[in-house]
Amino acid sequence: EDQVTQSPEALRLQEGESSSLNCSYTVSGLRGLFWYRQDPGKGPEFLFTLYSAGEEKEKERLKATLTKKESFLHITAPKPEDSATYLCAVPAGGTSYGKLTFGQGTILTVHP
Amino acid sequence: NAGVTQTPKFQVLKTGQSMTLQCAQDMNHNSMYWYRQDPGMGLRLIYYSASEGTTDKGEVPNGYNVSRLNKREFSLRLESAAPSQTSVYFCASSSPSGTYNEQFFGPGTRLTVL
Repeated sequence: EDQVTQSPEALRLQEGESSSLNCSYTVSGLRGLFWYRQDPGKGPEFLFTLYSAGEEKEKERLKATLTKKESFLHITAPKPEDSATYLCAVPAGGTSYGKLTFGQGTILTVHP
Repeated sequence: NAGVTQTPKFQVLKTGQSMTLQCAQDMNHNSMYWYRQDPGMGLRLIYYSASEGTTDKGEVPNGYNVSRLNKREFSLRLESAAPSQTSVYFCASSSPSGTYNEQFFGPGTRLTVL
């Protein structure tokens, strides 16, 4: 059974304090890993797709990396506007059009 | 482009009432999805439609039905609402290319069943 586990459940940072969020997964035949950001009261917003181990992608203060067992979302010098829930997801094994299995999310709070 | 739109934004029902949640996308995507999001449970797939004319069950389909009306629209129906269906419902769409496809989400419908 596909599993996606995110840690920590919640993370509080001071503005400028860099850190990382973890997403570990168990899936047969990884065909990509997705990161989303979700603000309160809104739908998830797509951030990144990572296709293979060793791949990295960046967007502003965020950088996502992928290994064979986990992905990290690194946040460099975060600002209060980076506060949100960050979700990762993988396509379910055995399908070709992307039913996604989501992690529980990490709630990030950045204090000024 | 509006992306993925959902109506209504909020709804309160009494147990046993029925309703339909509407979803539309203007990105010419082939696949559409309905999820529910509950505290501590994350996002769970209810039903999906890989392409126009096809629908299939996801992880938690009991108590729901869907209709893929055309390529743009995918509706979710609760025939007899129950308090356990109180949740936030999200519609998403994607356009598969190979095996990798990002899903794009709507703003959600917040449903309370009393």
